[in-house]
Amino acid sequence: KNQVEQSPQSLIILEGKNCTLQCNYTVSPFSNLRWYKQDTGRGPVSLTIMTFSENTKSNGRYTATLDADTKQSSLHITASQLSDSASYICVVLYGGGYNKLIFGAGTRLAVHP
Amino acid sequence: GAVVSQHPSRVICKSGTSVKIECRSLDFQATTMFWYRQFPKQSLMLMATSNEGSKATYEQGVEKDKFLINHASLTLSTLTVTSAHPEDSSFYICSARYLTSGRGDTQYFGPGTRLTVL
Repeated sequence: KNQVEQSPQSLIILEGKNCTLQCNYTVSPFSNLRWYKQDTGRGPVSLTIMTFSENTKSNGRYTATLDADTKQSSLHITASQLSDSASYICVVLYGGGYNKLIFGAGTRLAVHP
Repeated sequence: GAVVSQHPSRVICKSGTSVKIECRSLDFQATTMFWYRQFPKQSLMLMATSNEGSKATYEQGVEKDKFLINHASLTLSTLTVTSAHPEDSSFYICSARYLTSGRGDTQYFGPGTRLTVL
């Protein structure tokens, strides 16, 4: 079954600290993996997108990694800011020709001052 | 980057009425748009795939007669919730498919529409 699982479900950190969010997937065939940030009451905004040949991708303070062999990805946030408080969603594009996105349930991050 | 807009951002309606939500790709043409719904603290659930000039493809369990989708142009798709009921209250998000060179396609999401049915 094509699934995307994220951990932790929720996370609280202090402003300025780093954190890492995890994503495991069983989607096959795999096309690419994306991380999205979704603020409350808003649509998801793309942070990174990686194909199977890419191991790491950075976007400012966000760094995503991908291990296609173990089917794991992580999103590392450096020097967190209050505005980083949001849900972070790992999404895998199913490569079976249907252009279907498989969504993880998301990690709800709260950054406290 | 590619921009997708939705209108309205919020709508409150009475039970039994119909509500239309618009999704527009502002700076690119999208032959395919997607409609999602999201319940509180849950992830997005795909409702249907909207293809310009043809009928939408609905996911299993989504009533096509209740959720009418029209994709009349390359920049506009509409979702009409017919005879809305309180259980239809949700956050509706559209996305537009954007083809990028060398990376296949990606989807850009709209800001969402909060529907509340009284």
